[in-house]
Amino acid sequence: ILNVEQSPQSLHVQEGDSTNFTCSFPSSNFYALHWYRWETAKSPEALFVMTLNGDEKKKGRISATLNTKEGYSYLYIKGSQPEDSATYLCAPFGNEKLTFGTGTRLTIIP
Amino acid sequence: GAGVSQSPSNKVTEKGKDVELRCDPISGHTALYWYRQSLGQGLEFLIYFQGNSAPDKSGLPSDRFSAERTGGSVSTLTIQRTQQEDSAVYLCASSSLSGPYYEQYFGPGTRLTVT
Repeated sequence: ILNVEQSPQSLHVQEGDSTNFTCSFPSSNFYALHWYRWETAKSPEALFVMTLNGDEKKKGRISATLNTKEGYSYLYIKGSQPEDSATYLCAPFGNEKLTFGTGTRLTIIP
Repeated sequence: GAGVSQSPSNKVTEKGKDVELRCDPISGHTALYWYRQSLGQGLEFLIYFQGNSAPDKSGLPSDRFSAERTGGSVSTLTIQRTQQEDSAVYLCASSSLSGPYYEQYFGPGTRLTVT
């Protein structure tokens, strides 16, 4: 069983501010890291699938970086908007499956 | 196009009863996964189907849980003799292929409450 840690557990950010949070995972036998966004009353939605050390992915105001050697990924949100309020989940792929962290619950304060 | 659908959206059952949860994956997706999220916990893997291969049942918490996938499409998760600790949101996801590089598409979930 992979040990996946996300921090912080929850975060309140003023609208317009930028923020970031962390996903830590075992660096051995790494294949890929997934990030998902889960809004209340909706389904989890894929943000990024990252595979290469040093990889950086971007989707609008959201970006992510990956360090496979030390086993961490950062998710950044620039200029937070109310629609960014959600739980952000990371999940490394290992043993033929994704193992999800408990997530970072982000609340944007208007 | 149509996404992953699940039914029912909510299910309240009495302890000891059996329940069936259904998942319709995206058409053409060969991989199908079941997860659950209990209160205060992360998404927990339960079972995974890939094509005609034997399913990976390594996440099923007890032998009261079983799942099948008929015709490589619809899947049913069955919980026998439900217990209060089975109360959770059960999510189904599908992907075009299995493996680390393929994002998973999730359904809206079934919220199960065992009284």
